[in-house]
Amino acid sequence: GQNIDQPTEMTATEGAIVQINCTYQTSGFNGLFWYQQHAGEAPTFLSYNVLDGLEEKGRFSSFLSRSKGYSYLLLKELQMKDSASYLCAGMDSNYQLIWGAGTKLIIKP
Amino acid sequence: ETGVTQTPRHLVMGMTNKKSLKCEQHLGHNAMYWYKQSAKKPLELMFVYSLEERVENNSVPSRFSPECPNSSHSFLHLHTLQPEDSALYLCASSQARTGPVDEKLFFGSGTQLSVL
Repeated sequence: GQNIDQPTEMTATEGAIVQINCTYQTSGFNGLFWYQQHAGEAPTFLSYNVLDGLEEKGRFSSFLSRSKGYSYLLLKELQMKDSASYLCAGMDSNYQLIWGAGTKLIIKP
Repeated sequence: ETGVTQTPRHLVMGMTNKKSLKCEQHLGHNAMYWYKQSAKKPLELMFVYSLEERVENNSVPSRFSPECPNSSHSFLHLHTLQPEDSALYLCASSQARTGPVDEKLFFGSGTQLSVL
């Protein structure tokens, strides 16, 4: 079956670094997405990886290892506004998105 | 108005009511989606409209029925819902459904539905 696993909740300190992991099993693979969702708001696109390696966008970076079925989202210099849920989604060979349940990230001062 | 707009933001309904959720996208996209988001569960794709073709998740009960009169508007009609249907209903759009594999979704803020 197809599945995405990510931690339910994580806590980190303002100014620190946090890594949110995601493992995936999909029928075929057409890339891995990360979305951010603040409470009561729309999910917004953060990153897309289809090739192995690290892609950096400012304070946020996303990593993919296709051989391991593994991705992570790295958030640096954490700010209070980074408190949100982070959704991992893998795209299968039929262009269907398989979603994880999301990781709730709590930032403490 | 820009992006994807959903109304209403909140809805409380009884099990015998009929209501409709509305979604409008101002991005010139060709595909629209309805998702159900329950607490601590993955997003569940309910329906996709792409170039006037509808694709649905066969596990969605018939008490949910979608309508997409054009590429910019979509409705989710609700009829005789159950308490377990209480959830956040998200609408999204994308440029294409089976286009570039890096096709990203643009979501609305959702309708928080409570069924009593």
